[in-house]
Amino acid sequence: GAVVSQHPSWVICKSGTSVKIECRSLDFQATTMFWYRQFPKQSLMLMATSNEGSKATYEQGVEKDKFLINHASLTLSTLTVTSAHPEDSSFYICSARLNSNTGELFFGEGSRLTVL
Amino acid sequence: GEDVEQSLFLSVREGDSSVINCTYTDSSSTYLYWYKQEPGAGLQLLTYIFSNMDMKQDQRLTVLLNKKDKHLSLRIADTQTGDSAIYFCAESTTNAGKSTFGDGTTLTVKP
Repeated sequence: GAVVSQHPSWVICKSGTSVKIECRSLDFQATTMFWYRQFPKQSLMLMATSNEGSKATYEQGVEKDKFLINHASLTLSTLTVTSAHPEDSSFYICSARLNSNTGELFFGEGSRLTVL
Repeated sequence: GEDVEQSLFLSVREGDSSVINCTYTDSSSTYLYWYKQEPGAGLQLLTYIFSNMDMKQDQRLTVLLNKKDKHLSLRIADTQTGDSAIYFCAESTTNAGKSTFGDGTTLTVKP
């Protein structure tokens, strides 16, 4: 199947700093990628839809200025958590659609963010 | 909006069959998916079924879809300890692209 890779797998940062997480589609081009947040023992919460070459579409309640998304190429989307605080600590997962007709999604391995 | 519901926990013995159930509300759902998540990892697509199908079988996995009742199930035959994980049901419509996920069913397989 298609491969989606995230980097870093885990990161620990101090409160107030910004952290960038990358999501790459390794063997296919993805015009659309999705960013999710997952709290322990909970389901995935869709944060935003990342569109190549245009602005991301954020879900209700997600702060655009807090979670900056850039989809500069067909194989890379980045999520930057700005001025991170402990409550931003979470597991962030991205996914990409392989085929716009099937809607099939492939997920990255996830990035665990811990803000001290 | 769309809603997907699953039971939260299931425990079976090794070698038994596991059946994980899911219900959804969006009648326009086009694709229904089952994902597996192991601790600390992302989601792995196990299988998916198109809404005009009733059943799909892939080795030990059997997916049944009752579109009238909006009920989806995943049967794992000869469940192994390596099958212990969280299983997510999800749905999407082709046009929207994004998926709505259930809360996940934690499957525990006991030796």
